[in-house]
Amino acid sequence: NAGVTQTPKFQVLKTGQSMTLQCAQDMNHNSMYWYRQDPGMGLRLIYYSASEGTTDKGEVPNGYNVSRLNKREFSLRLESAAPSQTSVYFCASRVLYNEQFFGPGTRLTVL
Amino acid sequence: RKEVEQDPGPFNVPEGATVAFNCTYSNSASQSFFWYRQDCRKEPKLLMSVYSSGNEDGRFTAQLNRASQYISLLIRDSKLSDSATYLCVVKLQGANNLFFGTGTRLTVIP
Repeated sequence: NAGVTQTPKFQVLKTGQSMTLQCAQDMNHNSMYWYRQDPGMGLRLIYYSASEGTTDKGEVPNGYNVSRLNKREFSLRLESAAPSQTSVYFCASRVLYNEQFFGPGTRLTVL
Repeated sequence: RKEVEQDPGPFNVPEGATVAFNCTYSNSASQSFFWYRQDCRKEPKLLMSVYSSGNEDGRFTAQLNRASQYISLLIRDSKLSDSATYLCVVKLQGANNLFFGTGTRLTVIP
């Protein structure tokens, strides 16, 4: 099992450009999450999907959109990237009451 | 007010030392508690869950004090490989998501 995979690993964007971060899990988990991690701020939840077909906002959803494409895949889209979105993005998945598994992260820089 | 607060450290300790981290949570409806470990430039990984009666896993001991709303992690006989950031994590009753502290950085020195 690959667990949680994310693509790309690194990305540099210019202000105003758009991109989609991809995430997939092969553990048959119902819940999936997108976080961003910034120095001194810890992990902050952007969006989550409790099950296929549902998505909910987290703590910092502004500037992002998500799609739960199927049970395996949960993508995060930046429509018009801003320097404030420079961060490390982690995708995670979880079965209810069990641990959350994280992907390796995407390091995004917006110039 | 943050849901979870941790001392960011850094904690620099010699090999073999015992070190303890504390974490406080603000919501009394918090239901589940965890410690995650994050190595530099890597993803967080579950270290251990924290149970009401306290629990131990080898050199690691986790304690929960619901009355005072804090969680602790004790590491005995520190190894160089214990160097990492330790994240305190809380789940609220009925919630689907987890709340992460900012982490406490530990460096074990030879």
